[in-house]
Amino acid sequence: QSALTQPASVSGSPGQSITISCTGTSSDVGGYNYVSWYQQHPGKAPKLMIYDVSNRPSGVSNRFSGSKSGNTASLTISGLQAEDEADYYCSSYTSSSTPIFGGGTKLTVL
Amino acid sequence: EVQLVESGGGLIQPGGSLRLSCAASGFTVSSNYMSWVRQAPGKGLEWVSVIYSGGSTYYADSVKGRFTISRDNSKNTLYLQMNSLRAEDTAVYYCARDMGGNWFDPWGQGTLVTVSS
Repeated sequence: QSALTQPASVSGSPGQSITISCTGTSSDVGGYNYVSWYQQHPGKAPKLMIYDVSNRPSGVSNRFSGSKSGNTASLTISGLQAEDEADYYCSSYTSSSTPIFGGGTKLTVL
Repeated sequence: EVQLVESGGGLIQPGGSLRLSCAASGFTVSSNYMSWVRQAPGKGLEWVSVIYSGGSTYYADSVKGRFTISRDNSKNTLYLQMNSLRAEDTAVYYCARDMGGNWFDPWGQGTLVTVSS
């Protein structure tokens, strides 16, 4: 099973909004409302930012939001801040009852 | 505080074996699904294995037959026994609480496994 498709990189200026896409198939992203997003700073462990497509764990800024349409999920970060610069990964439950990750997107804050 | 701490990584020759440990605090390993996820240098995340609260285990095709996930309930610790290691197994290995394959939280700090002669 191939990894979910994410853009390799996105960038934005402080205060702007950016969106990262995550494209799969009807056997994963499109078939379940079980998409999650992770933030990973260099040399650090991933951190859960969004679960079940659009839910934010306690402590995660409301500047982070998630959505899904068909086989594509999206993570939007509004009011971009320097500390948001990191790698972002999506993940989805699959019809094999196992998870699959996206290839990752490097966010650069200009 | 909910926390996971991995240990056991290191440099190992191809064909060798290594056992990773993941000590949990703040929650009970045996009452949760627990997964191992790895990240090769400069690459993305790859799910490796899961153990369900009921004890069932599942593996990615890339490690099936070579890796074994297990837990010690008395020590509240998760393990990953890795045999017949290959260069392509070189990665940082993370343990994480697995919410039914839907999301992972928390994650440990990771332990580096390097397979090289």
